[in-house]
Amino acid sequence: DIQMTQSPSSLSASVGDRVTITCRASQSLSGYLNWYQQKPGTPPLLLIYGTSSLQSGVPSRFSGSGSGTDFTLTIRGLQPEDSATYFCQQSFTKPPWTFGQGTKVEIK
Amino acid sequence: QVQLQQSGPGLVKPSQTLSLTCVISGDSVSSNRAAWNWIRQSPSRGLEWLGRTYYRSKWYNDYAVSMKSRITINPDTSKNQVSLQLKSVTPEDTAIYYCARHSPLESAVPGSRAFDIWGQGTLVNVSS
Repeated sequence: DIQMTQSPSSLSASVGDRVTITCRASQSLSGYLNWYQQKPGTPPLLLIYGTSSLQSGVPSRFSGSGSGTDFTLTIRGLQPEDSATYFCQQSFTKPPWTFGQGTKVEIK
Repeated sequence: QVQLQQSGPGLVKPSQTLSLTCVISGDSVSSNRAAWNWIRQSPSRGLEWLGRTYYRSKWYNDYAVSMKSRITINPDTSKNQVSLQLKSVTPEDTAIYYCARHSPLESAVPGSRAFDIWGQGTLVNVSS
């Protein structure tokens, strides 16, 4: 199975800050990397797919980049409503689909 | 818009079978583009993909190796829903269970797919 490792596991930042979350895969994903946001009591919400494509309705302050095994989610201009846990997930070739362990973002 | 509505018991006794249902609206369980998945989430295991069913001229299933001997995912075309059965549960199967659509999405990366629609989640507690 492809292992997904996120860092950091948690962070605290101020409104307006730029936040970066990293995801590393145990093998090359050829760009098949997705990002989700999850708030307490709700299911994950798709933010970014195919490394850098923004899902419909997601604010443009969210962006994704990367290649090979290393990927990044960036939030430019952090907002109070961005307080959540963020997960990466790989959809390379065939299952099992695997997720990172999550990064909890807290607003100072 | 596409919605997934889950139902099923929140409490299951050890050694019994966990059964959940996911009713699909706005799409078809027989879609030749989507796959219908079950995923669970717990503090100890995080988000864990359990399995999927999908239709491409015939029905296919894939299951996580760790689940393979205990899990069944079935489509029901008459009710446009998908079900999950997990046999011989233990307290380690306590988790929030989600159904989710895995769907192709247009991207610079050809063939991109993601879990774009999720059910509301069902907290299942395995306890006597």
